[in-house]
Amino acid sequence: GQNIDQPTEMTATEGAIVQINCTYQTSGFNGLFWYQQHAGEAPTFLSYNVLDGLEEKGRFSSFLSRSKGYSYLLLKELQMKDSASYLCAGLDSNYQLIWGAGTKLIIKP
Amino acid sequence: IAGITQAPTSQILAAGRRMTLRCTQDMRHNAMYWYRQDLGLGLRLIHYSNTAGTTGKGEVPDGYSVSRANTDDFPLTLASAVPSQTSVYFCASSATVQETQYFGPGTRLLVL
Repeated sequence: GQNIDQPTEMTATEGAIVQINCTYQTSGFNGLFWYQQHAGEAPTFLSYNVLDGLEEKGRFSSFLSRSKGYSYLLLKELQMKDSASYLCAGLDSNYQLIWGAGTKLIIKP
Repeated sequence: IAGITQAPTSQILAAGRRMTLRCTQDMRHNAMYWYRQDLGLGLRLIHYSNTAGTTGKGEVPDGYSVSRANTDDFPLTLASAVPSQTSVYFCASSATVQETQYFGPGTRLLVL
């Protein structure tokens, strides 16, 4: 079966760094997406990885290891506005996104 | 450019009633999707359309139908609503099936 696993909730301090992990099992693999979702709002796109390695985009970076079925999202210099849920999703062989349940990130001052 | 719009924003519906959720995009994207999001669960695909004139079933299609008469519009119909269809419904679109999906603001539906 297809599955995406990520922690339910994480807590971090303003100004710090946090890493949100995601493991995936999909039928075929066409890339790994990360989205941010603030409470009561729609998901918004953060990053896409299809090759192994690190993609950096400002304070956010995303890493992929296809051999390990593993990805992480790294958030640096945390700000209060980063409090949100972070959704990991794998694109399978039919080009359908398989979604994790999301990681709720709580930022404390 | 509005991107993707959904209507209504929220709705309370009596069980057994018929309801159509509307979704319109102005990005000329080929692919469109309907998801539902429930607490503690990931987004679940209801129906999708890879291009105008075609539709397909996702993970949870029962009780829902869609149509894709043109590129811009992708309405979702609940033929006879049941309480288990209480959820937040998101419409999304992507230029092609391989590319990033962009989401509408969602419709919050309560079926009593």
